[in-house]
Amino acid sequence: SQQGEEDPQALSIQEGENATMNCSYKTSINNLQWYRQNSGRGLVHLILIRSNEREKHSGRLRVTLDTSKKSSSLLITASRAADTASYFCATPLSGGSYIPTFGRGTSLIVHP
Amino acid sequence: EAQVTQNPRYLITVTGKKLTVTCSQNMNHEYMSWYRQDPGLGLRQIYYSMNVEVTDKGDVPEGYKVSRKEKRNFPLILESPSPNQTSLYFCASKDVNTEAFFGQGTRLTVV
Repeated sequence: SQQGEEDPQALSIQEGENATMNCSYKTSINNLQWYRQNSGRGLVHLILIRSNEREKHSGRLRVTLDTSKKSSSLLITASRAADTASYFCATPLSGGSYIPTFGRGTSLIVHP
Repeated sequence: EAQVTQNPRYLITVTGKKLTVTCSQNMNHEYMSWYRQDPGLGLRQIYYSMNVEVTDKGDVPEGYKVSRKEKRNFPLILESPSPNQTSLYFCASKDVNTEAFFGQGTRLTVV
């Protein structure tokens, strides 16, 4: 079943502001991934964080993982209109499978 | 170029007419999965496969079949499509140490 749930469902900000999205999951994981989806297109991988990592950076993206709270956050700094998309966290199926499952996503709109 | 290819990209069909959506990956990945995406529901997993001849149900398998006769292909079969299967479908593949790679999606309308 779906493991991760993103929060908020929708986020609307102005260009230049930071955007923070959260993900909560149910069972222990060995890694968590964040994906981006432009309207109606396939998902594109952004970043993977392993269970023994607390924070990871990639360009303007910063991901944190708190395994004690079973939660992760994705921060996009200095957002741009081109960041407008839906963002999903993905966690492995329970039982140690490598097959990712996804939440409902956060829809981010960045106004120019 | 590493890719996952789905066909067709768009399909309008009638209730009850069997159809197959193909999915092929060229990365020799072991794991493949089908998802459907509906407004407000995110991506829900239909079926997945851990290897050749190994498939299992996801969250919403009713009305679908899959097969994995060879590593690169993972077709999704709708034996008797119904309007509630109108959706956007994605195929994905991955390996142990890779992220998931997605196809471009198949937008299916069943009338």
